[in-house]
Amino acid sequence: TAGITQAPTSQILAAGRSMTLRCTQDMRHNAMYWYRQDLGLGLRLIHYSNTAGTTGKGEVPDGYSVSRANTDDFPLTLASAVPSQTSVYFCASSPYSGKGETQYFGPGTRLLVL
Amino acid sequence: GNSVTQMEGPVTLSEEAFLTINCTYTATGYPSLFWYVQYPGEGLQLLLKATKADDKGSNKGFEATYRKETTSFHLEKGSVQVSDSAVYFCALSDRFGSSNTGKLIFGQGTTLQVKP
Repeated sequence: TAGITQAPTSQILAAGRSMTLRCTQDMRHNAMYWYRQDLGLGLRLIHYSNTAGTTGKGEVPDGYSVSRANTDDFPLTLASAVPSQTSVYFCASSPYSGKGETQYFGPGTRLLVL
Repeated sequence: GNSVTQMEGPVTLSEEAFLTINCTYTATGYPSLFWYVQYPGEGLQLLLKATKADDKGSNKGFEATYRKETTSFHLEKGSVQVSDSAVYFCALSDRFGSSNTGKLIFGQGTTLQVKP
């Protein structure tokens, strides 16, 4: 079972360039999430989607955008990357969006912005 | 706001030693509690969860009990193996803003290194 796949695995990006991180799930989960992981800070929610066609801002949304055209895909776009966006990005999904749902994570994308 | 606090690492143990990783939380209401594990170079995997007070989650020899009176969810294992070396994250579920969107609030993670 593939679960959640993310691409690319890692990337070096020049500041000011744009990039899209891809996330695909095959579990037919309604809800999807993007987190960033920074040393000493745990994981922080960037954006979420409760169901296909809807998205919402998380706790650190600035500089990022998302779309949810269908159930399976939830890409994260950095329009103009800055060094502070250097991080490890995890996509996650859960069957439903409610509080208490278990979230399942992808393998992550390691991004370095220079 | 809601938060999770974990003991600082790294934690270094010898194989077959007893493991405790402390986790305490601050929350209104009755959140579900989780332990996730991240092996080197991999994403987060759910290790165990508990959804209400006094529930015990268990998996792969790991256990944690939801203690509402002490707002704790400490992770324990009786005999660790080298293969348990990883980063362990405690998390609680929360409702994001005024919506019904669930989100996880994570602790900062505790690195466990088990030596042969």
